[in-house]
Amino acid sequence: GAGVSQSPSNKVTEKGKDVELRCDPISGHTALYWYRQSLGQGLEFLIYFQGNSAPDKSGLPSDRFSAERTGGSVSTLTIQRTQQEDSAVYLCASSFSGYMGYNEQFFGPGTRLTVL
Amino acid sequence: QKEVEQDPGPLSVPEGAIVSLNCTYSNSAFQYFMWYRQYSRKGPELLMYTYSSGNKEDGRFTAQVDKSSKYISLFIRDSQPSDSATYLCAMSINQGGKLIFGQGTELSVKP
Repeated sequence: GAGVSQSPSNKVTEKGKDVELRCDPISGHTALYWYRQSLGQGLEFLIYFQGNSAPDKSGLPSDRFSAERTGGSVSTLTIQRTQQEDSAVYLCASSFSGYMGYNEQFFGPGTRLTVL
Repeated sequence: QKEVEQDPGPLSVPEGAIVSLNCTYSNSAFQYFMWYRQYSRKGPELLMYTYSSGNKEDGRFTAQVDKSSKYISLFIRDSQPSDSATYLCAMSINQGGKLIFGQGTELSVKP
Protein backbone atom coordinates (compact mmCIF):
# COMPACT_ATOMS: atom_id res chain seq x y z
CA GLY A 1 0.00 0.00 0.00
CA ALA A 2 0.96 3.63 -0.30
CA GLY A 3 3.15 5.08 2.39
CA VAL A 4 3.49 8.66 3.59
CA SER A 5 4.20 10.98 0.69
CA GLN A 6 5.70 14.45 0.78
CA SER A 7 6.05 17.17 -1.79
CA PRO A 8 8.13 18.71 -3.12
CA SER A 9 11.08 16.39 -2.60
CA ASN A 10 13.46 19.33 -2.94
CA LYS A 11 12.87 23.04 -2.53
CA VAL A 12 15.37 25.85 -3.07
CA THR A 13 14.24 29.30 -2.03
CA GLU A 14 15.68 32.70 -1.34
CA LYS A 15 16.00 34.15 2.12
CA GLY A 16 12.85 36.01 3.09
CA LYS A 17 10.46 34.01 0.88
CA ASP A 18 7.61 31.89 2.23
CA VAL A 19 7.48 28.14 1.54
CA GLU A 20 4.79 25.48 1.88
CA LEU A 21 5.58 21.82 2.37
CA ARG A 22 2.93 19.16 1.91
CA CYS A 23 2.37 15.81 3.60
CA ASP A 24 -0.08 13.06 2.60
CA PRO A 25 -0.34 10.57 5.46
CA ILE A 26 -1.24 6.92 5.18
CA SER A 27 -4.98 6.56 4.66
CA GLY A 28 -6.80 6.01 7.94
CA HIS A 29 -3.98 7.26 10.13
CA THR A 30 -5.33 9.65 12.73
CA ALA A 31 -2.04 11.11 13.98
CA LEU A 32 0.37 13.21 11.93
CA TYR A 33 3.77 14.55 12.95
CA TRP A 34 6.30 16.98 11.49
CA TYR A 35 9.99 16.70 12.30
CA ARG A 36 13.07 18.53 11.07
CA GLN A 37 16.44 16.92 10.46
CA SER A 38 19.56 19.05 10.18
CA LEU A 39 23.27 18.32 10.47
CA GLY A 40 23.78 20.26 13.64
CA GLN A 41 20.58 19.41 15.51
CA GLY A 42 19.67 15.90 14.42
CA LEU A 43 15.99 14.99 14.15
CA GLU A 44 13.73 17.38 16.06
CA PHE A 45 10.00 17.30 16.73
CA LEU A 46 8.02 20.27 15.39
CA ILE A 47 4.26 19.67 15.67
CA TYR A 48 1.78 16.83 16.21
CA PHE A 49 -1.88 16.50 15.15
CA GLN A 50 -4.15 13.87 16.72
CA GLY A 51 -7.68 13.62 15.37
CA ASN A 52 -9.72 16.69 16.22
CA SER A 53 -7.67 17.62 19.27
CA ALA A 54 -5.69 20.86 19.44
CA PRO A 55 -2.24 20.24 17.93
CA ASP A 56 0.89 19.99 20.06
CA LYS A 57 2.94 22.91 18.72
CA SER A 58 5.61 22.74 21.40
CA GLY A 59 8.44 22.03 18.93
CA LEU A 60 7.89 24.90 16.52
CA PRO A 61 11.08 27.01 16.69
CA SER A 62 9.48 30.40 16.02
CA ASP A 63 6.21 32.03 15.01
CA ARG A 64 7.40 31.95 11.40
CA PHE A 65 6.48 28.26 11.43
CA SER A 66 2.87 27.08 11.25
CA ALA A 67 1.04 23.96 10.14
CA GLU A 68 -2.47 22.95 9.24
CA ARG A 69 -4.18 19.64 8.80
CA THR A 70 -7.28 19.84 6.67
CA GLY A 71 -10.06 17.28 6.89
CA GLY A 72 -8.03 15.10 9.19
CA SER A 73 -5.77 14.09 6.30
CA VAL A 74 -3.35 16.23 4.29
CA SER A 75 -1.09 18.61 6.20
CA THR A 76 0.83 21.70 5.11
CA LEU A 77 3.82 23.11 6.96
CA THR A 78 4.39 26.79 6.19
CA ILE A 79 7.58 28.69 6.88
CA GLN A 80 7.33 32.44 6.48
CA ARG A 81 10.25 34.76 5.78
CA THR A 82 12.68 31.86 5.49
CA GLN A 83 16.15 32.15 7.00
CA GLN A 84 19.30 30.22 6.12
CA GLU A 85 19.10 28.32 9.39
CA ASP A 86 15.76 26.87 8.20
CA SER A 87 17.69 24.76 5.67
CA ALA A 88 17.04 21.14 6.64
CA VAL A 89 15.10 18.03 5.68
CA TYR A 90 11.50 18.28 6.84
CA LEU A 91 10.02 14.88 7.62
CA CYS A 92 6.38 13.97 8.06
CA ALA A 93 5.15 10.85 9.85
CA SER A 94 1.75 9.34 10.52
CA SER A 95 0.40 6.70 12.84
CA PHE A 96 -2.85 4.96 13.66
CA SER A 97 -4.22 5.38 17.17
CA GLY A 98 -6.49 2.78 18.63
CA TYR A 99 -4.37 -0.26 19.19
CA MET A 100 -3.41 -1.16 22.73
CA GLY A 101 0.16 -1.70 21.62
CA TYR A 102 2.69 0.75 20.31
CA ASN A 103 1.50 3.04 17.51
CA GLU A 104 4.35 3.02 15.03
CA GLN A 105 5.14 6.27 13.28
CA PHE A 106 5.68 5.78 9.55
CA PHE A 107 7.91 8.39 7.96
CA GLY A 108 7.81 9.93 4.53
CA PRO A 109 10.95 10.54 2.44
CA GLY A 110 11.16 14.19 3.48
CA THR A 111 11.42 17.55 1.76
CA ARG A 112 14.96 18.90 1.48
CA LEU A 113 14.75 22.67 1.93
CA THR A 114 17.64 24.91 0.98
CA VAL A 115 17.47 28.62 1.78
CA LEU A 116 20.00 30.68 -0.16
CA GLN B 1 22.49 19.15 27.36
CA LYS B 2 20.21 17.18 25.04
CA GLU B 3 17.52 14.91 26.50
CA VAL B 4 18.88 12.00 24.46
CA GLU B 5 22.59 11.56 23.74
CA GLN B 6 23.96 9.29 21.03
CA ASP B 7 27.50 9.00 19.71
CA PRO B 8 27.28 10.09 16.05
CA GLY B 9 30.21 7.90 15.00
CA PRO B 10 30.92 7.20 12.21
CA LEU B 11 31.38 3.53 13.04
CA SER B 12 33.04 1.18 10.57
CA VAL B 13 33.12 -2.61 11.10
CA PRO B 14 33.95 -5.66 8.99
CA GLU B 15 31.18 -7.90 7.74
CA GLY B 16 30.16 -10.46 10.35
CA ALA B 17 31.09 -8.27 13.33
CA ILE B 18 28.83 -7.63 16.31
CA VAL B 19 27.78 -4.00 16.46
CA SER B 20 26.78 -2.21 19.65
CA LEU B 21 24.93 1.10 19.46
CA ASN B 22 24.00 3.06 22.57
CA CYS B 23 22.02 6.02 23.82
CA THR B 24 21.69 7.67 27.19
CA TYR B 25 18.84 9.88 28.29
CA SER B 26 17.98 12.22 31.11
CA ASN B 27 14.15 12.21 31.30
CA SER B 28 12.95 9.43 33.59
CA ALA B 29 9.40 9.83 32.22
CA PHE B 30 10.32 8.09 28.95
CA GLN B 31 8.45 4.79 28.67
CA TYR B 32 8.79 3.81 24.99
CA PHE B 33 12.16 3.23 23.41
CA MET B 34 12.70 2.79 19.69
CA TRP B 35 15.47 2.20 17.21
CA TYR B 36 15.05 3.53 13.72
CA ARG B 37 17.23 2.83 10.67
CA GLN B 38 17.66 5.50 8.03
CA TYR B 39 19.24 4.95 4.65
CA SER B 40 20.67 7.89 2.74
CA ARG B 41 18.02 10.24 1.36
CA LYS B 42 15.20 8.17 2.89
CA GLY B 43 12.91 8.58 5.86
CA PRO B 44 13.62 6.62 9.06
CA GLU B 45 12.01 3.19 9.42
CA LEU B 46 11.25 1.48 12.71
CA LEU B 47 13.53 -1.43 13.56
CA MET B 48 12.50 -2.27 17.09
CA TYR B 49 10.61 -0.85 20.00
CA THR B 50 10.62 -1.73 23.68
CA TYR B 51 8.21 -0.69 26.39
CA SER B 52 9.85 -0.03 29.75
CA SER B 53 12.90 -2.08 30.76
CA GLY B 54 14.12 -5.37 29.39
CA ASN B 55 15.43 -7.07 26.30
CA LYS B 56 13.82 -7.76 22.97
CA GLU B 57 15.21 -9.88 20.16
CA ASP B 58 14.27 -9.92 16.49
CA GLY B 59 16.48 -12.00 14.26
CA ARG B 60 19.98 -10.51 14.27
CA PHE B 61 18.85 -7.49 16.31
CA THR B 62 18.58 -7.21 20.10
CA ALA B 63 17.35 -4.11 21.92
CA GLN B 64 18.07 -3.58 25.61
CA VAL B 65 16.64 -0.97 27.95
CA ASP B 66 18.03 -0.24 31.40
CA LYS B 67 15.80 2.39 32.94
CA SER B 68 17.74 2.47 36.21
CA SER B 69 20.82 3.63 34.29
CA LYS B 70 18.83 5.57 31.65
CA TYR B 71 20.69 3.64 28.96
CA ILE B 72 19.51 1.79 25.88
CA SER B 73 21.40 -0.39 23.42
CA LEU B 74 20.96 -2.03 20.05
CA PHE B 75 23.09 -5.04 19.15
CA ILE B 76 23.45 -6.27 15.60
CA ARG B 77 24.88 -9.77 15.19
CA ASP B 78 26.55 -11.04 12.02
CA SER B 79 26.47 -7.57 10.51
CA GLN B 80 25.96 -7.31 6.75
CA PRO B 81 26.89 -4.59 4.25
CA SER B 82 23.14 -3.99 3.84
CA ASP B 83 23.09 -2.89 7.51
CA SER B 84 25.11 0.19 6.52
CA ALA B 85 22.86 3.10 7.47
CA THR B 86 22.30 5.67 10.19
CA TYR B 87 20.74 4.26 13.36
CA LEU B 88 18.64 6.58 15.47
CA CYS B 89 17.41 5.93 18.96
CA ALA B 90 14.10 7.57 19.86
CA MET B 91 12.01 7.81 22.98
CA SER B 92 8.58 8.95 24.02
CA ILE B 93 6.60 9.43 27.19
CA ASN B 94 3.27 8.36 25.71
CA GLN B 95 2.69 5.71 23.09
CA GLY B 96 1.19 8.16 20.66
CA GLY B 97 3.30 11.13 21.52
CA LYS B 98 6.18 12.97 19.98
CA LEU B 99 9.48 11.20 19.59
CA ILE B 100 12.71 12.59 20.98
CA PHE B 101 15.62 11.38 18.89
CA GLY B 102 19.31 10.91 19.45
CA GLN B 103 21.78 12.37 16.96
CA GLY B 104 22.04 9.10 15.04
CA THR B 105 25.07 6.84 14.55
CA GLU B 106 26.35 6.33 11.03
CA LEU B 107 27.32 2.67 10.57
CA SER B 108 29.35 1.24 7.69
CA VAL B 109 29.78 -2.53 7.33
CA LYS B 110 32.64 -3.38 5.01
CA PRO B 111 32.56 -6.60 2.92
